[in-house]
Amino acid sequence: GEDVEQSLFLSVREGDSSVINCTYTDSSSTYLYWYKQEPGAGLQLLTYIFSNMDMKQDQRLTVLLNKKDKHLSLRIADTQTGDSAIYFCAESLGNYGGATNKLIFGTGTLLAVQP
Amino acid sequence: DAGVIQSPRHEVTEMGQEVTLRCKPISGHNSLFWYRQTMMRGLELLIYFNNNVPIDDSGMPEDRFSAKMPNASFSTLKIQPSEPRDSAVYFCASSYQPATNEKLFFGSGTQLSVL
Repeated sequence: GEDVEQSLFLSVREGDSSVINCTYTDSSSTYLYWYKQEPGAGLQLLTYIFSNMDMKQDQRLTVLLNKKDKHLSLRIADTQTGDSAIYFCAESLGNYGGATNKLIFGTGTLLAVQP
Repeated sequence: DAGVIQSPRHEVTEMGQEVTLRCKPISGHNSLFWYRQTMMRGLELLIYFNNNVPIDDSGMPEDRFSAKMPNASFSTLKIQPSEPRDSAVYFCASSYQPATNEKLFFGSGTQLSVL
């Protein structure tokens, strides 16, 4: 079935690293995504990783992908109070010959950064 | 571009009333998605369209929910009659597909409260 799971809450101190974990179900997903939702706003794409990669680094963000275990993680280095938000991982599922794919989101992880 | 525009931003209604949520996707995007966000169930995909045609409506909760996309620049999600359990934040998102990756652009959402 379509099930993307995340832990619900993570609390870190400012300056520490944050690691948010996710497990997904569809091994055929071409891309896996991390979205960020700030209070009162819609989701915004943070970063994504192609399924044939193990790691992707983008400034303070590091995405690790373990395809064997269907495990995705997002590491935020030097976490700031402005990073406080809900973080969603998502997998893409193809439909109707892959012409249109849909994103299935995890439950979201609330990241609280303490000053 | 102004991004994905949703209206109204907030809607408070009484049980049994009809509710219509509106969405204007980003110009040039050909795929449109309706999501619902609640604390209990996270972010659920309700329905999505490609080139104004509904592709997958398996996430629509029941017959009280209906969605239309009469043209490339407008979509509605209607609930009739509304019930308190429909209270949630409803997001519209758009993208261009097929594409290298399925990056979604989200609107700010409609906060629906059914009393």
